[in-house]
Amino acid sequence: SQTIHQWPATLVQPVGSPLSLECTVEGTSNPNLYWYRQAAGRGLQLLFYSVGIGQISSEVPQNLSASRPQDRQFILSSKKLLLSDSGFYLCAWETPWHYNEQFFGPGTRLTVL
Amino acid sequence: AQTVTQSQPEMSVQEAETVTLSCTYDTSENNYYLFWYKQPPSRQMILVIRQEAYKQQNATENRFSVNFQKAAKSFSLKISDSQLGDTAMYFCAFEGGSQGNLIFGKGTKLSVKP
Repeated sequence: SQTIHQWPATLVQPVGSPLSLECTVEGTSNPNLYWYRQAAGRGLQLLFYSVGIGQISSEVPQNLSASRPQDRQFILSSKKLLLSDSGFYLCAWETPWHYNEQFFGPGTRLTVL
Repeated sequence: AQTVTQSQPEMSVQEAETVTLSCTYDTSENNYYLFWYKQPPSRQMILVIRQEAYKQQNATENRFSVNFQKAAKSFSLKISDSQLGDTAMYFCAFEGGSQGNLIFGKGTKLSVKP
């Protein structure tokens, strides 16, 4: 069966510090991968998606970046965090040939102070 | 551009009763998918039910069912025999177009009261 992992689960970082969130998927190959952010009281916002290694599409211009160094690994990064980067970050995977369902990881709670 | 609107920020229901959560969307696509996701306090996103736009029959999953009105672009979720464990944020989501990314509504906070 497929599983998706995210770490860390929670993170508190000062403004201006770097960020690296990791997402890995097991039990499938060549998934589409997504990074979402949920700000307090708001719905999910798509940040990045990837259809393959090294292929990243950005939906929202910001100080975040994403990379996909391996087929089942998706990394969200920032060189300098802003207060507005605080939120709940969800990674999701999807196999396009299976009912177009996206499956979400457990998420990372990021607090920027 | 596609949009998803959930007009009920909060709702409450008595245990064992039935509740309906509303969702409307806007799209020019003809083929798409609609979803309801549940996010309990643990923040894990859980798929509750999905509907393919080309199917006229409303999807059902145990106590969860939808009322899909394609012409009206409406996709409501009905929860029957509500249980305390149904307390959560519920998000309506749309997937369509070439990118396949999900577009979410802002969510409805459902509280099931004993």
